[in-house]
Amino acid sequence: EAGVTQSPTHLIKTRGQQATLRCSPISGHTSVYWYQQALGLGLQFLLWYDEGEERNRGNFPPRFSGRQFPNYSSELNVNALELEDSALYLCASTRGEQPQHFGDGTRLSIL
Amino acid sequence: GDSVTQMEGPVTLSEEAFLTINCTYTATGYPSLFWYVQYPGEGLQLLLKATKADDKGSNKGFEATYRKETTSFHLEKGSVQVSDSAVYFCALAELNTGFQKLVFGTGTRLLVSP
Repeated sequence: EAGVTQSPTHLIKTRGQQATLRCSPISGHTSVYWYQQALGLGLQFLLWYDEGEERNRGNFPPRFSGRQFPNYSSELNVNALELEDSALYLCASTRGEQPQHFGDGTRLSIL
Repeated sequence: GDSVTQMEGPVTLSEEAFLTINCTYTATGYPSLFWYVQYPGEGLQLLLKATKADDKGSNKGFEATYRKETTSFHLEKGSVQVSDSAVYFCALAELNTGFQKLVFGTGTRLLVSP
């Protein structure tokens, strides 16, 4: 069974640009969670998508957004990038009450 | 809100030593508890879980018991290997509400030397 896949592995942007991160869940999983792992801040919940809808978001500004497609894959968009957005962005998928399974992440570096 | 507190690292051990990583939690409901492991350059892997009080999760020689009376979920392994070197995260989530937001501890780095 293929795991959660994320792309790209690394992304380098400059301040003010926009970034798009992608996530493909495990087959059969309908929920996607996004987390940010920033140095010194630990792992923080960003967004939850389920059945194509945004269901909940963490304490992040509106320039963090995304969507979930009919095949349950998901995109995370970050607009107007700031230096403090540099982090590892992790996607996890699940279904029902199963534990979340994580991808290897996208490392976003802002220059 | 819910929170998880883990012991500070790094924890440095010799191969075959006994490992304990402490984890305590605060939650208003009845969360499920997890240990995830992160190897360098990788995402998080689920190591073990427990869904209710007195449950014991186990995997790859690691164990943790859900202790409601002490709100703890300490990770133990009887004999660590060099390959166990990684960062370990304790986490909780309310699985039965539909919204499974994981609340993580700060992580504990384990370094095992030969």
